[in-house]
Amino acid sequence: QSALTQPASVSGSPGQSITISCTGTSNDVGSYKLVSWYQQHPGKAPKLMIYEGSKRPSGVSNRFSGSKSGNTASLTISGLQAEDEADYYCCSYAGSSTLVFGGGTKLTVL
Amino acid sequence: EVQLVEFGGGLVQPGRSLRLSCAASGFTFDDYAMHWVRQAPGKGLEWVSGISWNSGSIGYADSVKGRFTISRDNAKNSLYLQMNSLRAEDTALYYCAKDTRLAVAGTGGFDYWGQGTLVTVSS
Repeated sequence: QSALTQPASVSGSPGQSITISCTGTSNDVGSYKLVSWYQQHPGKAPKLMIYEGSKRPSGVSNRFSGSKSGNTASLTISGLQAEDEADYYCCSYAGSSTLVFGGGTKLTVL
Repeated sequence: EVQLVEFGGGLVQPGRSLRLSCAASGFTFDDYAMHWVRQAPGKGLEWVSGISWNSGSIGYADSVKGRFTISRDNAKNSLYLQMNSLRAEDTALYYCAKDTRLAVAGTGGFDYWGQGTLVTVSS
């Protein structure tokens, strides 16, 4: 169970789009459509933003979208807003009833 | 309104045990898998363990396998984590999280989280 690989930080200006990658292996991201993404503001519990790879929970802005290609999943945020500044984590099913998170990405809105 | 409230955290010496509990309300508890996720101070999220709706399927992170035991009592709408042989590296905020699905194997993600209970392992 090795952590999924995410960039430590990404940044963008308001209104721009950014993409956060989440790279795993053929044992996790590559084998299942079960990647989820979480947003975490300082001192707060994580919030589900994307589940099952590309689905948005009720109440989550359609500016957030998820996709996958091979062993890499991606979270795209379009029309960046100041409140999007937070830490983002990916998580994938890894077989045998186990899951694994990515190391997290700090998004800075310039 | 879905609520998950964790309790049982605290300061414990290395090698000792601690039992965390999570009280769930606002949803049909036995319709969903449940998980424990932890976050060490200043660090990222780490999945610890998950349990299916009927306790028929359970998984653990390698870092806790053999030391931690997850369980649930559907009659009491409660999730538990028995933590034995605690180490300094187990120091973290422990979150209880609800899955969107019945089973860990078909996990859809964690749609509700508690506020966490802090476990500190130190002599």
